[in-house]
Amino acid sequence: DQQVKQNSPSLSVQEGRISILNCDYTNSMFDYFLWYKKYPAEGPTFLISISSIKDKNEDGRFTVFLNKSAKHLSLHIVPSQPGDSAVYFCAARALNDYKLSFGAGTTVTVRA
Amino acid sequence: NAGVTQTPKFRILKIGQSMTLQCAQDMNHNYMYWYRQDPGMGLKLIYYSVGAGITDKGEVPNGYNVSRSTTEDFPLRLELAAPSQTSVYFCASSTTGGSAEAFFGQGTRLTVV
Repeated sequence: DQQVKQNSPSLSVQEGRISILNCDYTNSMFDYFLWYKKYPAEGPTFLISISSIKDKNEDGRFTVFLNKSAKHLSLHIVPSQPGDSAVYFCAARALNDYKLSFGAGTTVTVRA
Repeated sequence: NAGVTQTPKFRILKIGQSMTLQCAQDMNHNYMYWYRQDPGMGLKLIYYSVGAGITDKGEVPNGYNVSRSTTEDFPLRLELAAPSQTSVYFCASSTTGGSAEAFFGQGTRLTVV
């Protein structure tokens, strides 16, 4: 059973515009959420995270928003750059658990 | 700083063969994990370890075995390779659970024919 869902397999955005990636989860025990970025032939790399006690976390061009009541989070990339073209995975973890549950990923393509 | 190192990067196996995927980390992390990624799917946890001598099953452990004799190494063993094990395998490590993110290796692309 997929506990973390990324319903958009792909996203195409023009350079300089905003990219919005969405993620939904079903497990109410999840309390920590992460986004990973993955280039072809490389392993995923950590991008940004958010704890359930917050509703927003910002790091440079990347902002993650969390809506606990809707069990929904989103990643905003502003402005989008060609180097942002990659697969983005949403992941979640329950309190005191170290195992991550991953979504299927969203492939972002930034057009020049 | 090497981080998490996986070998080999690519491998083709025949059905029924066995092999070991190697994983080593130099960050002194207690927690280590093996994931597999199938096309269009997220990463699925195969096995994990919370420290030397301690391992446990993840979501998809069938057909695999692991051992953790040292903090640094966490090899994954495939005993009788099957086409369903064709996948990309990622090893990862992290510090204590909390908010620490996992660091991933570059992956091993395995094809079983």
